[in-house]
Formats: sequence, structure tokens, C-alpha cells
Amino acid sequence: AAGVIQSPRHLIKEKRETATLKCYPIPRHDTVYWYQQGPGQDPQFLISFYEKMQSDKGSIPDRFSAQQFSDYHSELNMSSLELGDSALYFCASSLARVGGTNYGYTFGSGTRLTVV
Amino acid sequence: GQQVMQIPQYQHVQEGEDFTTYCNSSTTLSNIQWYKQRPGGHPVFLIQLVKSGEVKKQKRLTFQFGEAKKNSSLHITATQTTDVGTYFCAGGAWGQNFVFGPGTRLSVLP
Repeated sequence: AAGVIQSPRHLIKEKRETATLKCYPIPRHDTVYWYQQGPGQDPQFLISFYEKMQSDKGSIPDRFSAQQFSDYHSELNMSSLELGDSALYFCASSLARVGGTNYGYTFGSGTRLTVV
Repeated sequence: GQQVMQIPQYQHVQEGEDFTTYCNSSTTLSNIQWYKQRPGGHPVFLIQLVKSGEVKKQKRLTFQFGEAKKNSSLHITATQTTDVGTYFCAGGAWGQNFVFGPGTRLSVLP
């Protein structure tokens, strides 16, 4: 079965550089979520999109932006990278909430970003 | 805002022992989900609980949702080394995205 595809798997960037992470959700899933997970931490919600529109915003720094495209894939753009941005970035997809109740999320394998 | 707490943070058990992790939300939840993340892996969806007092079983795993829909537990009977990982609960208030708990990291000693 198709899963959530994230690329690249690993990324090394220098401080102040930019990075773009990509996420391809499960076919027919219309909602995409981005999470940041630091070492030994729980996943922290960054931002989500439903039908190509931003649906919710979490603790996403102003230096980061994201969008969802017409084919439902999403990209997380990160600028002016800082050492503290080093983390695992997960993308998850699901069907949209129905009646206020969420469906289960399917997570991608993540992109490990290292800022040096 | 909504907060989700889990205890314990770490648990070391001998293979064959039981294990329980508890999840508590600061707000009443619409539903709660449990995920397992193996070391170096990504969170994998285990189950979703929706109804007050609901109990669901998956082989050796038993999930329970509290009557007040503010707490939940995951119990593993007779742990195996394959159970190693971090177990996250994620609570969703009505109309809101899930908030993940900090996770319980389980180590199983053979």
C-alpha cells in the first residue's frame, strides 16, 4: 500500500541557508500535517493544510513557510536556518475531520535535518 | 491551550512483564489516538478511541478511554523485545488537531 513519501531522507545545511522539504501524502488523503521532532522530544505540530489551504498553525517559526499544491503534495520551506532547527521533520496525512472527529494520521519516514 | 501529559516518561521492564502508560489531557477530548515509534523510526498509528469508557484490544495491547474522556491508558501484557519503542498518545479536542503527549519510552530487557 502507498505510504506518505518524504524527501529527502537526510539533509545537511549550514547556518543561514535555506532548505525545502517535500511530502507526498497517501492518495485521496486531503489533509497534510507537518511536525518537528527534536531529539528525545514528542512531535510538535507546525502547520496543516486541507484542500490546499492552510487549516491550522502551530509552533511554526516565521522563518518557515509551507504550502500544499494542486496534486496535494506539500513543501516546507525553511530559511535562515539555525542550529536549533536540527530535528526530524515528519509529514503526516489523513482524511479531513468529519464532525469534529479526527481520522488517524499516517506519518512519513521523516526528513532528518542537520544544521551545522 | 490544550495540554497532553503522559506518565511514566521511561519504563524499563523485563521481558514477560506487563507495562502500562497513562495519558491525561487538560481538556475533554473528542477522541484519542495511540502511536508507536520504534527507535529511529516514525510514529505508526495503533488505534483510535472515541467513546467514553471505551476499551479496545489488539492482541497483547489493551487501550482504554476514560469515562470523562480526559484520560487514556495503554497496557501491554507479557512484553516482548519487539515492544521496544516510544508510545505516544495524541488527544484531539472537538474540531482541533491532535496534540501529542511527550511519550513513554519502553525498554524491554531480554
